[in-house]
Amino acid sequence: SYVLTQPPSVSVAPGKTARITCGGNNIGSKSVHWYQQKPGQAPVLVVYDDSDRPSGIPERFSGSNSGNTATLTISRVEAGDEADYYCQVWDSSSDHYVFGTGTKVTVL
Amino acid sequence: EVQLVESGGGVVQPGGSLRLSCAASGFTFDDYAMHWVRQAPGKGLEWVSLISGDGGSIYYADSLKGRFTISRDNSKNSLYLQMNSLRTEDTALYYCAKHGMDVWGQGTTVTVSS
Repeated sequence: SYVLTQPPSVSVAPGKTARITCGGNNIGSKSVHWYQQKPGQAPVLVVYDDSDRPSGIPERFSGSNSGNTATLTISRVEAGDEADYYCQVWDSSSDHYVFGTGTKVTVL
Repeated sequence: EVQLVESGGGVVQPGGSLRLSCAASGFTFDDYAMHWVRQAPGKGLEWVSLISGDGGSIYYADSLKGRFTISRDNSKNSLYLQMNSLRTEDTALYYCAKHGMDVWGQGTTVTVSS
């Protein structure tokens, strides 16, 4: 089955840039979606189709996808960005949706 | 307002059954496929199942091994998950989500324990 690997944690100072990677075999050929989940809350879609943002999501959130790695970039990090982040793809070979292992972002 | 509200969770013994429901409002329900996603305590998100808008296409995660059945009633704007032969590892918060996963419910908790 298709596997998406994320770093368990990323730490970043306020105002700096956080980059969260999502590794998968030839992930660049798939559409990647990213979710933010704060404690006790449902996930929120922050980036879809590699790099598009839903309405209401700040421009500080951006995404890219190439080769074997997709990346979610959070610019000018704020305390409110502290959360778990998950990548997700549709694996057409198995007709399964797959979530990444998740990354906890800590704002120092 | 687009909204999803799950219900039906609870405590059940191993081997038991539960039926989860998800009530949708604020959008044309039968235009959209719907998902179930679960999250075990302290763990990550796990996709469970997907059903197309007309119910004609259904997909399941391999881990379910035929124990769960997804269905929908478009006349009632409702999504369901019938869970049978429950195991302790099925203990989780179960979310329904609109296809595209831009809308999620708040989840319903399922605890499988003796």
